[in-house]
Amino acid sequence: GAVVSQHPSWVICKSGTSVKIECRSLDFQATTMFWYRQFPKQSLMLMATSNEGSKATYEQGVEKDKFLINHASLTLSTLTVTSAHPEDSSFYICSARDFHSFTEAFFGQGTRLTVV
Amino acid sequence: DQQVKQNSPSLSVQEGRISILNCDYTNSMFDYFLWYKKYPAEGPTFLISISSIKDKNEDGRFTVFLNKSAKHLSLHIVPSQPGDSAVYFCAASGRGTSYGKLTFGQGTILTVHP
Repeated sequence: GAVVSQHPSWVICKSGTSVKIECRSLDFQATTMFWYRQFPKQSLMLMATSNEGSKATYEQGVEKDKFLINHASLTLSTLTVTSAHPEDSSFYICSARDFHSFTEAFFGQGTRLTVV
Repeated sequence: DQQVKQNSPSLSVQEGRISILNCDYTNSMFDYFLWYKKYPAEGPTFLISISSIKDKNEDGRFTVFLNKSAKHLSLHIVPSQPGDSAVYFCAASGRGTSYGKLTFGQGTILTVHP
């Protein structure tokens, strides 16, 4: 299957700082990338849809000014958690859809964010 | 509003036997369904999928069955192996531009005992 790389795999930051998470599609072009969040022992919840060259579409209840998404190229999307708080601590996962495929999306390894 | 539900939080199976994981959905606009396997602190790994125009898809030890009228799908793993122990998520997707945008169930922890 296609490869999606997410970086970093884990990060610890202080409250009030910002953290950037990168999601790269390594062997295909991803016009659309998706950002999910998973709290402990819960399901993956879609946060936003990132479209190359245009603004991201956020799911209801997700603050767009807090979770900044940039999808500047067909292989890279970034999620920046701004002014992080301890309640933002979670597992963040990206997925990317192959431009030529209309079926499944492939997932990155995830990023464990801990805000202290 | 949980549109995709996995009502069994856990399942324990003996090695060599069949594992059956179930999933129900409520949104009739879903027309593509997927199963993912996930380990803690890792991203989900795609296992198998099925389109709404089919009622069965098979790939090696994994078979997915879809009952559209009941809005129910299941994943069969046979024979089960200890390495199959993980959390299994079913997910659903809509048509067109919604492809890739997945709604996940809560997950089922599968434990396969040697």
